[in-house]
Amino acid sequence: AQSVSQHNHHVILSEAASLELGCNYSYGGTVNLFWYVQYPGQHLQLLLKYFSGDPLVKGIKGFEAEFIKSKFSFNLRKPSVQWSDTAEYFCAVNSNFNKFYFGSGTKLNVKP
Amino acid sequence: DAGITQSPRYKITETGRQVTLMCHQTWSHSYMFWYRQDLGHGLRLIYYSAAADITDKGEVPDGYVVSRSKTENFPLTLESATRSQTSVYFCASSEFGQGGTEAFFGQGTRLTVV
Repeated sequence: AQSVSQHNHHVILSEAASLELGCNYSYGGTVNLFWYVQYPGQHLQLLLKYFSGDPLVKGIKGFEAEFIKSKFSFNLRKPSVQWSDTAEYFCAVNSNFNKFYFGSGTKLNVKP
Repeated sequence: DAGITQSPRYKITETGRQVTLMCHQTWSHSYMFWYRQDLGHGLRLIYYSAAADITDKGEVPDGYVVSRSKTENFPLTLESATRSQTSVYFCASSEFGQGGTEAFFGQGTRLTVV
């Protein structure tokens, strides 16, 4: 079975700081990769996704992620975080069987 | 409205009771999923369905039953609820094709087993 690892469980940043959240997956075949965000009390919403092509993917709200196939990684970045980015972030992967597997999540707390 | 809806949003039940969580989507997506979200575990796949009458186990299926007689509905039943099944349950749907699509999530059902 596939697995997804998120290295940072809880990150605290000040506004305007840069963000990088790590995500590694274990699956040797073709995968689709996603980052979701969950604001407090809400459901998961898609931030960005990678299927093929340019390994640098841009998403909503200034987020981007880079797929590095050799490292099985799909790290999420944002140059300057805002207080409104406080949320939990989930990395996910799916494959040919279209099962989505999620990491354990990273809680981001941005201090104003 | 179009989308994916779960009901109820909140449920408290007693140990040993049977409880069913409902999920309905209006997109006619082929795939539907049930996840549970627990602190420190993220989202874990309970069951998924590739089409009506086709279901398969996920990572944590024990104690749960699903059915999918219609494309738009995917109910999840806890046959005999236990305290360890206290969790937030999310239903999701997705279509699958060239380039793939993301999973769309419902608002969740917060279930407490006492």
